[in-house]
Amino acid sequence: GQQVMQIPQYQHVQEGEDFTTYCNSSTTLSNIQWYKQRPGGHPVFLIQLVKSGEVKKQKRLTFQFGEAKKNSSLHITATQTTDVGTYFCAERILQTSYDKVIFGPGTSLSVIP
Amino acid sequence: KAGVTQTPRYLIKTRGQQVTLSCSPISGHRSVSWYQQTPGQGLQFLFEYFSETQRNKGNFPGRFSGRQFSNSRSEMNVSTLELGDSALYLCATTFDGTGSSYEQYFGPGTRLTVT
Repeated sequence: GQQVMQIPQYQHVQEGEDFTTYCNSSTTLSNIQWYKQRPGGHPVFLIQLVKSGEVKKQKRLTFQFGEAKKNSSLHITATQTTDVGTYFCAERILQTSYDKVIFGPGTSLSVIP
Repeated sequence: KAGVTQTPRYLIKTRGQQVTLSCSPISGHRSVSWYQQTPGQGLQFLFEYFSETQRNKGNFPGRFSGRQFSNSRSEMNVSTLELGDSALYLCATTFDGTGSSYEQYFGPGTRLTVT
């Protein structure tokens, strides 16, 4: 079935360093969603990308959808301790009248102050 | 407006028992999806309800069931609990679960521990 993979599984960075997580699929993705889950919290929707090569920015976060729509990345510039958490990519599977969201395994980010 | 609420927040049960979890969506949201989150398997889709009907189901055994009420509140039930059912159970809601309303809002989850 549909599956998205993420790398790395874990990432430890010094505060102020940049961070990137990658999401990959063997099949063409309809879209890609990104979520953030803080430790002890619940996933929070960040963004959805739909178009090939699409790039969107949210303050220090840059989201990119690959030209072939088989990969995506989330890049955080100058990490802060508030960026700590697990970042999930997900594909929203479009059905006739409803959607199903399939999540990747996530990348856990630790920021060392 | 108020967010998604889930009750209870924490639950401890023993093997063989059953459990019922509740999810109240954001006002106006009619689609409720349930997910199981474990360290080993990540976030896995259980099922989705809209207008009191289950529209979509993940790959979970029949011990996992759910329902939705006319006010869009949803419950999920797990019967004959197993140790492996220990997990964080999350519900997520959208307006109607279709392409035009794709942003899911998650509740805080119910942490179930089976001993």
